[in-house]
Amino acid sequence: EIVMTQSPATLSVSPGERVTLSCRASQSVSRYLAWYQQKPGQAPSLLIYGASTRATGVPARFSGSGSGTEFTLTITGLKSEDFAVYYCQQYNNWPPTLTFGGGTKVEFK
Amino acid sequence: EVQLLESGGGLVQPGGSLRLSCAASGFSLRTYAMDWVRQTPEKGLEWVATLSGSGSSPYYADAVKGRFTISRDTSKNTLYLQMNTLKFEDTALYYCVKEEGFSGADYFASWGQGTLVTVSS
Repeated sequence: EIVMTQSPATLSVSPGERVTLSCRASQSVSRYLAWYQQKPGQAPSLLIYGASTRATGVPARFSGSGSGTEFTLTITGLKSEDFAVYYCQQYNNWPPTLTFGGGTKVEFK
Repeated sequence: EVQLLESGGGLVQPGGSLRLSCAASGFSLRTYAMDWVRQTPEKGLEWVATLSGSGSSPYYADAVKGRFTISRDTSKNTLYLQMNTLKFEDTALYYCVKEEGFSGADYFASWGQGTLVTVSS
């Protein structure tokens, strides 16, 4: 099983700041990496797929990068609606054993 | 517009059974792979099972293999998860999820709101 590790677990930030979240895979997943945002009481929603492609309707302040085992989600100019938990997920293996990272909570400083 | 509406969750004793349903609208289950993903505060998000768009290739997480069965009724455009021999550790919020692709092992494009399963004596 490919283990996904996210860091940090919690990030305390202020609106307007630039935020960088990390996700590491225990083995290469190429660019088969997605990011999701989850707000309290809601289901996760897709932000990024293919490591760097924004899903439909996702603002340009969200960007993803990386390949292989190291990935980054960057939020440039954090807005109040961005305070949430962010998860990465790999979808590289077959037969499928899709795995998620433990999440990074972006909270108000 | 894609909509996924889960139902069937509830309280069940260890060793019991439960069947979750997911009514899909806005697309056909024949054209996308579908999954069940569960979430707990302790373990976070955990993939449970996948069914390809052809309906012929189910895959399961090791934790549920042999106990859970994913299936669908295309005439009702509804996905199911039959859960047998339930354990305490199966307690979770279960999400029905639509993949972007057909064959399985893709990213999750759309999520339902979830149905809560509690296994307790």
